[in-house]
Amino acid sequence: GQNIDQPTEMTATEGAIVQINCTYQTSGFNGLFWYQQHAGEAPTFLSYNVLDGLEEKGRFSSFLSRSKGYSYLLLKELQMKDSASYLCAVRDGNYQLIWGAGTKLIIKP
Amino acid sequence: NAGVTQTPKFRILKIGQSMTLQCAQDMNHNYMYWYRQDPGMGLKLIYYSVGAGITDKGEVPNGYNVSRSTTEDFPLRLELAAPSQTSVYFCASSSTTGGYEQYFGPGTRLTVT
Repeated sequence: GQNIDQPTEMTATEGAIVQINCTYQTSGFNGLFWYQQHAGEAPTFLSYNVLDGLEEKGRFSSFLSRSKGYSYLLLKELQMKDSASYLCAVRDGNYQLIWGAGTKLIIKP
Repeated sequence: NAGVTQTPKFRILKIGQSMTLQCAQDMNHNYMYWYRQDPGMGLKLIYYSVGAGITDKGEVPNGYNVSRSTTEDFPLRLELAAPSQTSVYFCASSSTTGGYEQYFGPGTRLTVT
């Protein structure tokens, strides 16, 4: 079966750095996505990785290792508004998105 | 652009009732999707469409139906509502296969009692 694992919840301090991991097992691979979802709102796109390596976009970076079935989302200079759930999703061999359950990130002052 | 719009925002249904969740996008995207999200869970794909007149089942299609008569609209029909269909429903669209970037509507919170 297809599976995406990410931690259920993480806590970090304002101004710090946090890394949210995602491991996946899918039938084929055509890219990995990270979305942010604030409570009661819709997911919004953060990043897309299809090749190994690091993609940097401002305070957010995303890393992919296809051989290890592993990705992480790195958030720097954390702000209170970064409190949200972060969803990892993999596009499988049939070009369907398989979603993880999300990691709830709590930022403390 | 309004992006992806959904109506209604909230709805309470009695068991056995039917309803249609509306979804529209003004980005001329070919691909549209319906997801449900249960508390603490990831998104589950219900149905998707790759263009007007073409729809296909996702992971959890039972109890739902869709149609795609135009590029803009992708309504989701619930027949004979059951408590298991209590969830938040999101419509999304994208311009490429599978969704290089999926744009989501604000969601419909449905309760079946």
